[in-house]
Amino acid sequence: GAVVSQHPSRVICKSGTSVKIECRSLDFQATTMFWYRQFPKQSLMLMATSNEGSKATYEQGVEKDKFLINHASLTLSTLTVTSAHPEDSSFYICSAILGSWETQYFGPGTRLLVL
Amino acid sequence: TQLLEQSPQFLSIQEGENLTVYCNSSSVFSSLQWYRQEPGEGPVLLVTVVTGGEVKKLKRLTFQFGDARKDSSLHITAAQPGDTGLYLCAGGGYGQNFVFGPGTRLSVLP
Repeated sequence: GAVVSQHPSRVICKSGTSVKIECRSLDFQATTMFWYRQFPKQSLMLMATSNEGSKATYEQGVEKDKFLINHASLTLSTLTVTSAHPEDSSFYICSAILGSWETQYFGPGTRLLVL
Repeated sequence: TQLLEQSPQFLSIQEGENLTVYCNSSSVFSSLQWYRQEPGEGPVLLVTVVTGGEVKKLKRLTFQFGDARKDSSLHITAAQPGDTGLYLCAGGGYGQNFVFGPGTRLSVLP
């Protein structure tokens, strides 16, 4: 099956610092990846669509200057949380499209805690 | 804005019981997906349904897509403790943004 990895799995940082999260498709190429955020006991909220070789498309209410997305290759997308604040603490999950548009495969998630 | 609702939000049952989880929307989706998520992990795709009226079976799990492609159901037969988790439906497809339902948190007690 399709495997998507994320790194790091957990990160703790101080307020004001930047954190980069990597999302990799390990055994397939993905021209499209998605970034989601999930707060405790809530569902997934789509943050942005990451397209290889072009700018990401952000959902309404998501600051593109705060959440920088780079999809430089067909197997890697990165999300950088700039100047992180405690309210950015959350579970960040990426997914990648394999084959048909309907099929998303998710990474294991990255838990970010901003102190 | 496309929205998905799920019911029930929480469900606690005994091992061996049957259950059905519902996913509803007022919008038409080109496809619906069902995922199961365990704490601290990403969602795992269970099934994708694309044709109105479609029924798919995955061992003890039966998925149905409504004729109008606005709703779906997940039926679990003889639930086991290993079925415990958060069940999420998601709708979308080419040209549509993916939206997730709020989830149904299932607990199967031994």
